[in-house]
Amino acid sequence: QITLKESGPTLVKPTQTLTLTCTFSGFSLSTTGVGVGWIRQPPGKALEWLGIIYWDDNDYYSPSLKSRLTITKDTSKNQVVLTMTNMDPVDTATYYCAHRPPQWLCFDHWGQGTLVTVSS
Amino acid sequence: QSALTQPASVSGSPGQSITLSCTGTSTDVGGYKYVSWYQQHPGNAPKLMIYDVTKRPSGVSNRFSGSKSGSTASLTISGLQAEDEADYYCSSYTSSSTYYVFGTGTKVTVL
Repeated sequence: QITLKESGPTLVKPTQTLTLTCTFSGFSLSTTGVGVGWIRQPPGKALEWLGIIYWDDNDYYSPSLKSRLTITKDTSKNQVVLTMTNMDPVDTATYYCAHRPPQWLCFDHWGQGTLVTVSS
Repeated sequence: QSALTQPASVSGSPGQSITLSCTGTSTDVGGYKYVSWYQQHPGNAPKLMIYDVTKRPSGVSNRFSGSKSGSTASLTISGLQAEDEADYYCSSYTSSSTYYVFGTGTKVTVL
């Protein structure tokens, strides 16, 4: 049974750096083809893809956010960490991590999401 | 890379069939079979409903079906039920530097 859960601060100030941790179980991020992605959703708005990291450390980011994003993994801890610098109120959103299975290019299991508010 | 285009809302009566569209370009929907659809109820995380354009994950009702023609993908919900009322998002791999893109989302209302 695959599960994922996001954790981190619920409130950050403008210009600060956000660090979110995705802790997962039921799969290994050392398995060929597996990835963990990050997606966010501002209140009342659409999903926005942020980035993904794969079993082999390859990563991909949304071009509009690439300069501010870093995704890393700790396979031994079953964790993936998202770091986003220079936070702004427009970054207020629910942040999700999700599992990408090796055989399909989609996200078949999602965390419950964590709401991050950016405000002074 | 712009988001894939979806109609803001679609509605139907119980038992009817409705079709949601998702329009992209040749660099995403039109060029690859990697279109997927997600259902999201208020306050919940998205749920995968369709992957690889037409395939259903285990446990998803066969009332949900996917297709594609050119750069437009479609999700059809047959025998519409009250529980189908939700937001639906399409997504696709893209050969642009974006790598992956979601749609603008469609709110389905069961009348």
